[in-house]
Formats: sequence, C-alpha cells, structure tokens
Amino acid sequence: SQQGEEDPQALSIQEGENATMNCSYKTSINNLQWYRQNSGRGLVHLILIRSNEREKHSGRLRVTLDTSKKSSSLLITASRAADTASYFCAHTGRRALTFGSGTRLQVQP
Amino acid sequence: DADVTQTPRNRITKTGKRIMLECSQTKGHDRMYWYRQDPGLGLRLIYYSFDVKDINKGEISDGYSVSRQAQAKFSLSLESAIPNQTALYFCATSDFRTAQETQYFGPGTRLLVL
Repeated sequence: SQQGEEDPQALSIQEGENATMNCSYKTSINNLQWYRQNSGRGLVHLILIRSNEREKHSGRLRVTLDTSKKSSSLLITASRAADTASYFCAHTGRRALTFGSGTRLQVQP
Repeated sequence: DADVTQTPRNRITKTGKRIMLECSQTKGHDRMYWYRQDPGLGLRLIYYSFDVKDINKGEISDGYSVSRQAQAKFSLSLESAIPNQTALYFCATSDFRTAQETQYFGPGTRLLVL
C-alpha cells in the first residue's frame, strides 16, 4: 500500500490564485520530492527538499517540510492555466521512491 | 523525458497472453524502475534495478518479471496477462551519483488486457 497521502485530492482555483497541496508520510525520509504529471503523461520532477531543510523555493514553487509532523506542502503562486496537472509527492525510503496518491489541480482561466 | 523511451506506447492484449514492455535510456543512469499507475491513483513500484546484475521486487511484483539486459535497457514482462493488469506503466531512471534520487520518467505504456 502507498505510504503517502495527499490533501486535497482535487483542487480547483482561478488563474492568478495560489494553490496549496499537502503531503503526509509515515516513515523516516532522506528527502522529499514533488512531481507533476500532465494527463496520461510521464511524471516530471519539480523540486527536492532534503530532510534537514525546512523550506525551498524554485520560481513560483515553494516547498516546506516538517519532519516532526511528517508532512510537506507545495505552494504554487500566481497560478496559470498551464499549471493544470496532477501533483505527487514522493519520498526516498530505504531503496526506492514511494509516491503519494496525488492532488489533481485545475486552474480555471 | 525524451532520454527515456518506452515501447510500445499502447498495447491491447488478451487474458493469458505473455507480453513484454521495453524501456531504454540514454541518460547513462545506473538505476531503473518500473511502476504502474491506475486511474486516479499514484504510482506503485513493480520492480527496480540498481545495476545490470541487480533485480529487486517492489510493492506489487506478483504476475510480473523483469530483465536488465544492459545498463540502458530494462524490460517488464507479464507472464500471463489478466484484466486487472490493465493500467498505465512507467519506466524511470535515476543516477546514484547525484545522491538525490531524482527520477526521470518515460512517456508511459497504456496497456489494456481484455
């Protein structure tokens, strides 16, 4: 069974608004990553945050990590219609990545 | 990622048939993975390989087998396909030398088992 849960499962916002997605996990991690998937396509890596980091930025993306709560969040600022996709968190376990169930983001133009 | 290719992109087969999905990469990565994705769900790991002589079972390996023919090639076989193996299959690679385990995904193979 998957070891990550994401919240919300689906999110619909207007263009220009911010989108926040949350991820929880159950085990100790080395790092946590966020990936994006356009419908039916392969996943694309967005950003990685190490277990000793609390916050990281990349362009319009901001990721936070709280290892005490075993949770992470992804914030997309000033969203665009092109941000419409599914977003997955994944953490490195003992040998391979474990993916969450994903958040489907719809950005209305 | 165009450096990770999968063939075929779409496949329809019948219950009981043996089929093979192939993955090739030009990234020079040592690690390769096979995942399946069911509608509305995340990815589940089937098998992974850290080197040509290394094969490891993932979360859902039953009914599947793999072969790492070379560093650049990793194939997934369904020994006797069944309808609940209908899914989207992804191959991925990563490079241990970066120590970050970022994975690079192929475009996926859509499999329908009738």
